[in-house]
Amino acid sequence: RKEVEQDPGPFNVPEGATVAFNCTYSNSASQSFFWYRQDCRKEPKLLMSVYSSGNEDGRFTAQLNRASQYISLLIRDSKLSDSATYLCVVNPGPNTGGFKTIFGAGTRLFVKA
Amino acid sequence: DAGVTQSPTHLIKTRGQHVTLRCSPISGHKSVSWYQQVLGQGPQFIFQYYEKEERGRGNFPDRFSARQFPNYSSELNVNALLLGDSALYLCASSLGLAGGDTQYFGPGTRLTVL
Repeated sequence: RKEVEQDPGPFNVPEGATVAFNCTYSNSASQSFFWYRQDCRKEPKLLMSVYSSGNEDGRFTAQLNRASQYISLLIRDSKLSDSATYLCVVNPGPNTGGFKTIFGAGTRLFVKA
Repeated sequence: DAGVTQSPTHLIKTRGQHVTLRCSPISGHKSVSWYQQVLGQGPQFIFQYYEKEERGRGNFPDRFSARQFPNYSSELNVNALLLGDSALYLCASSLGLAGGDTQYFGPGTRLTVL
């Protein structure tokens, strides 16, 4: 089982649609969680951190379910500019190998007019 | 303010050669992490350095090594290049250890091994 798994995608949605991505992680001791966005041939950029209480930033809502070990990202009122790859990121915390950050494989989103 | 910078932007090498990639973090950031991203995959963690010490290592062979300098810049070295090392190499900086801190990525170095 992969340490971090995401919906394979791609997701093709019309403008204005609501779309949700899920991500599961295997290490129950994981400490911090993020969603990053990556445009084609560009570097990843932080979209939002994910907190246990859930958090919202405009049209974007992220939630964490520690019991089921998954995080989610909801995008409301999709825009053409939301087309990108969304990466789920998990930090397991220090372990015998030190710190490391684990990225999911990413989910491609295409928003069409 | 300058973001994370990486050099070179593109590089072409042949099998068996050695390569050095460079990264300068955001001013004030003390941690640098290196990632390898193969087309169609998410970035794979290689190393994290904080205050010039290695603090984390991913599942990469010993051909991969890195170091961090007193000014917090970093180098990633790859020896005995293989075709499979062709990828985008990303550097990320953060204020502290990248456990809970936001990581800011540089534009990457695209390495092609022929």
